[in-house]
Amino acid sequence: GESVGLHLPTLSVQEGDNSIINCAYSNSASDYFIWYKQESGKGPQFIIDIRSNMDKRQGQRVTVLLNKTVKHLSLQIAATQPGDSAVYFCAERRFGNEKLTFGTGTRLTIIP
Amino acid sequence: DVKVTQSSRYLVKRTGEKVFLECVQDMDHENMFWYRQDPGLGLRLIYFSYDVKMKEKGDIPEGYSVSREKKERFSLILESASTNQTSMYLCASRRFAGELFFGEGSRLTVL
Repeated sequence: GESVGLHLPTLSVQEGDNSIINCAYSNSASDYFIWYKQESGKGPQFIIDIRSNMDKRQGQRVTVLLNKTVKHLSLQIAATQPGDSAVYFCAERRFGNEKLTFGTGTRLTIIP
Repeated sequence: DVKVTQSSRYLVKRTGEKVFLECVQDMDHENMFWYRQDPGLGLRLIYFSYDVKMKEKGDIPEGYSVSREKKERFSLILESASTNQTSMYLCASRRFAGELFFGEGSRLTVL
């Protein structure tokens, strides 16, 4: 069946280190991928997106990598800060389908 | 600043009650969505709307209905609330094919 999932439900990282959050997807027709951040008590916020014709996209302190061969997506956060503590969701969309399918989320905890 | 506003942050209802969750966006977005969020299950799409008076079922529409009489407003209706509908409900909107903007969520408890 179709699914979007994350490898680990929780991740703890030392402040200042880099964080890598992974996501696997199963639908080879997926052509658009997004990462969202959800802080406690708030709705998800867009972080970065990538289309299937790209392998890598960089934003401010964040990088998304897409490996279509193994259907794997990752979010890298450089120099992790306390404000990065949140749940991170990946989401995917198939070409021609307006619905986003979300993963179950990874909770990132920053250790001071 | 873009804004998606959900009218109630916290609600407590009894089994069998009719529940209305209201969502308003001020960005003139065509598309609006209702998700529910449960621990370990992520966000699951209940219903979405491409435009005024249009609606499409998502992945878990059973027990829910929606109304979109005006472009800026998308309402989620639980005709007869049940305990398994206790959840966090998230509304979102976007321009066609653009990024989703979410509201802060409405946490519903059904007793």
